[in-house]
Formats: sequence, C-alpha cells, structure tokens
Amino acid sequence: NAGVMQNPRHLVRRRGQEARLRCSPMKGHSHVYWYRQLPEEGLKFMVYLQKENIIDESGMPKERFSAEFPKEGPSILRIQQVVRGDSAAYFCASSPPSDYQYEQYFGPGTRLTVT
Amino acid sequence: RKEVEQDPGPFNVPEGATVAFNCTYSNSASQSFFWYRQDCRKEPKLLMSVYSSGNEDGRFTAQLNRASQYISLLIRDSKLSDSATYLCVVEKAGGTSYGKLTFGQGTILTVHP
Repeated sequence: NAGVMQNPRHLVRRRGQEARLRCSPMKGHSHVYWYRQLPEEGLKFMVYLQKENIIDESGMPKERFSAEFPKEGPSILRIQQVVRGDSAAYFCASSPPSDYQYEQYFGPGTRLTVT
Repeated sequence: RKEVEQDPGPFNVPEGATVAFNCTYSNSASQSFFWYRQDCRKEPKLLMSVYSSGNEDGRFTAQLNRASQYISLLIRDSKLSDSATYLCVVEKAGGTSYGKLTFGQGTILTVHP
C-alpha cells in the first residue's frame, strides 16, 4: 500500500511564476490536508479538502494560493506569482474517513525554492 | 500565547538514557493529541496517538492530562536512532477546525554513544 505521494519533490521557480504542487493520498483515504513549513519554523496548517470540497481553508494566504481536490486525480496546491517568501517545504497529509481521532499520514513534501 | 508549546530543548542524552518531553496546549476544546517525529528535512511521521488513559508503545509512553492541558512523552532506553525532532500535535474536531492539526515548534533530541 503506497503512502502519500507528492510531486515534484523539489521545485525551483523564479519570482512571478506559478507553482503547482501535487498530492495523491494513501489508498482508501478521502481527506487531504496541506501544511507549510517555513525555514526554521514549525508546520502550519493551510487547507483541508475532501473530494470536490474545501472543508477548511483558514490557513491559506488570502491571495495567490488556491487548492483543489477533484473527483479524479491528485490534490493540487497552486501558488500564483510566487515571491521569495513562498520558499518552504509543503507537506500533504491524508487520513481515512473516521469519526474518531484523525491520524494523518504525511507525504515526503515538496521543497519550493523561489529565486 | 502559542496554541501548542513544547520544551525548547535541545536535549542531548547518552544511549540508554530516559528522556521526557512536555507540551501544553491552550485550546481546551482540543480533542485529539499526537506525537510525531521529524527527521532532518523529512516529513513528520506519526509516533503515537495520546489517550486520556495514557498509552505505551514499546519504549515510548505518552500521557495526557486534560485538566492541566498537558501532554508528555517518555522515551526509555534511548537509541541513536531516536535522534530527531519530536512534535507535539493537537487537533480540535468539530466545526471549521475539523481535521486541522496544530503543531508545536518541536523539541530536538540528540542521542550520543
């Protein structure tokens, strides 16, 4: 059973370009979460999605950032017009549908570098 | 005040030592609690969930005190491979915080020979 998959693992973008980060959850998992870890900082929640629905986007910056989890295919975190401050590790996590504790399993992350 | 606060560390201990990490959380509505470990520049990995009754997994023991809003992790007989950053994590289920994990800053543990 493959774990959470993210690609690309490393992404370099120039200021002003767009970055697209992809996440495929574990098999059987229908909940996807995105977190960001800035250099020397802790992980911060960005957005929680289920198929075709954004459940909680309270951690998303108001501008330039968007996320989706379509009916088919991976979840996408999209950053438009990237700036140097967007350089960070972006982790995706997934969990199964559950009424109990939400144990989230993380992918290897995408390290975004903005030059 | 931060939502989740951990011992600042770092902890530097010899192999075989027992080490304890503490964590406090500010939101009394938090319902689920976890310890994750993160190796340098890698993804966080779930170490264990934390239950009110306390739970043990081999050399690792986690405790939760809801009244004090306090979580702990005890590692016995430390191994070199335990060297990592340990993350205290809480989750508040329900409403718009459903599924949202809040991470502490992490405590760095180094186990030396």
